[in-house]
This record gives sequence, C-alpha cells and structure tokens, in this order.
Amino acid sequence: KNEVEQSPQNLTAQEGEFITINCSYSVGISALHWLQQHPGGGIVSLFMLSSGKKKHGRLIATINIQEKHSSLHITASHPRDSAVYICAVEKGGAQKLVFGQGTRLTINP
Amino acid sequence: DTGVSQNPRHKITKRGQNVTFRCDPISEHNRLYWYRQTLGQGPEFLTYFQNEAQLEKSRLLSDRFSAERPKGSFSTLEIQRTEQGDSAMYLCASRRGLADSYNEQFFGPGTRLTVL
Repeated sequence: KNEVEQSPQNLTAQEGEFITINCSYSVGISALHWLQQHPGGGIVSLFMLSSGKKKHGRLIATINIQEKHSSLHITASHPRDSAVYICAVEKGGAQKLVFGQGTRLTINP
Repeated sequence: DTGVSQNPRHKITKRGQNVTFRCDPISEHNRLYWYRQTLGQGPEFLTYFQNEAQLEKSRLLSDRFSAERPKGSFSTLEIQRTEQGDSAMYLCASRRGLADSYNEQFFGPGTRLTVL
C-alpha cells in the first residue's frame, strides 16, 4: 500500500462544476503539499499546509491531521484547470516529498 | 529568470551509454532534491543535498547513479550504463532549509530521458 493515496485517479467535469480531490496518508508528516503538473512535466506548488485550511483564488485546500486526510477543492472550474493534481507529504528532517500517484483532471467547456 | 533550471530538457540515448543531467537551483536555496517520475506515476525521491553534502539516498539510486553538488550550487546527476528502465522524467527541486510555513519546494522543468 502506498503511503499516499489519492482519489479519484481520473476526473472529468463540465466547466463551472465544483471539484474535490482527496488525499489520504498513512505516515507521520510535517506538512502536506498540493502540486499541479501540466503536460510537458512542469510542477507548480499550489499549497503547503500543516493544519486547517488555505485558500488561493478559486482553490481551497484543507487538512485533517487526526484523520490523515486532505482535500483540494476547485470552485467554478475552468478548462484551464485541466492538469494533473498531486498530493505529497513531507517526511523527516530532510523535508523530502512522498507523492501520491496524481489525479488527472479534465474540465470540458 | 530566477527559477530552478534543468539541462538538457530532453535526452535520447542508446542502452549502455552514460548520461549526465544538470540542475541549477534558486540561488539562496541550500537544499536540493532529485526525483524521478515514470509515465502515469507520481515522482519518487532519489536523493537530496544540504549545501554540498549528500545527506540521503533512496534505495532506487543504484550504483549506476551518482549525484554531486560541488560548492553547494548546481548539481549533476549521472547515470552510467543506461538501461531501458531508466527512461523517465528526472526532476530537480530546491528549497530553503528552514521549517517555516512558506518553505515550499520549487521544481525545475525536468529532463526527460529516453533510453532506446
């Protein structure tokens, strides 16, 4: 079993829909990251959080440390949101990341 | 551009050849990480440097792989005697080595390796 599990693996929705991507982890962590990866490989950091909730524009990330669970929400989704969204947890003093397998999101106009 | 850069962006090589990739981190970042990503999967940790010291290596990093970070600036990742299973995207990331809330990792664009 992977230390970080994401669901769903693939998600297709219509423009304007509210999107939720879930992440569960099984290890002790110091922080959790949500990342966005576009075709071609570039990875962009969306959020880094260790408790509570963060909001940036139409994106919201929440984490429940007791439940070892995090969610990424996208409100009023748009075709430009189409990408792979990756959850990663930070372990140990090295602060290295352990990644989930990613969720491929497609928003149709 | 003050982001993380990687060169080359693409590399095609024949099995058995040696390849070397370079990563230039953000200048004030003292931590540098190498990850490998195969198609359809999330990245996996390979190794990390704190300044010039290589402090941790994954079991994925076989003896054909070596990484250096001379003078704590840019880093190189060399793969000797490449195998088809080495085909992947090699990602470099850097961050400041501080436990603060804005201490995110910044990723380079990656080097895509294809071994024929």
